[in-house]
Amino acid sequence: DAGVTQSPTHLIKTRGQQVTLRCSPKSGHDTVSWYQQALGQGPQFIFQYYEEEERQRGNFPDRFSGHQFPNYSSELNVNALLLGDSALYLCASSFPDGDNYGYTFGSGTRLTVV
Amino acid sequence: RKEVEQDPGPFNVPEGATVAFNCTYSNSASQSFFWYRQDCRKEPKLLMSVYSSGNEDGRFTAQLNRASQYISLLIRDSKLSDSATYLCVVNKGSGYSTLTFGKGTMLLVSP
Repeated sequence: DAGVTQSPTHLIKTRGQQVTLRCSPKSGHDTVSWYQQALGQGPQFIFQYYEEEERQRGNFPDRFSGHQFPNYSSELNVNALLLGDSALYLCASSFPDGDNYGYTFGSGTRLTVV
Repeated sequence: RKEVEQDPGPFNVPEGATVAFNCTYSNSASQSFFWYRQDCRKEPKLLMSVYSSGNEDGRFTAQLNRASQYISLLIRDSKLSDSATYLCVVNKGSGYSTLTFGKGTMLLVSP
């Protein structure tokens, strides 16, 4: 049973560039959430996708956008990269039920902005 | 005030010690509570859920006090392999399920 897969595992980008990170959810899950984890901090919620729509968003600027495809996979796009965007980006899949806490995390994409 | 606050750490303990982690949360409407474990440069993994009645899983005991909005994790007989960062996590569950993480507390168990 495949868990959550993320690609790429590591990425180095230059300030001002754009980046796209990808996530395939665990089999059976249809909800995808993205988190940003800066060094020494806990993961911070970016947004959540369900039925190909963003249904919740954390306190992140519009430079952060996403997409969910019909097969439930998801992309996170970040435009105009800043040095402060360097972090581990985690994707988590789950069921959409608010009472269900069966989150599965991918191993993350480590983004370095130079 | 942060939504989820944890002891700053790190905690350095010898093998066999008992260590307790504390956490408070600000949203009284929070519905579900968890402790996650995160190894260095890895993804967080669910350690255990936390219930109002308290629950135990081997050497690990979790407690929840809804009135005080306080969560705890007790680790008995610490092992070297327990060295990790422990994240206190709250699920507001207000319609849509999203997780709010604390900053984490690092535990270092030494021989």
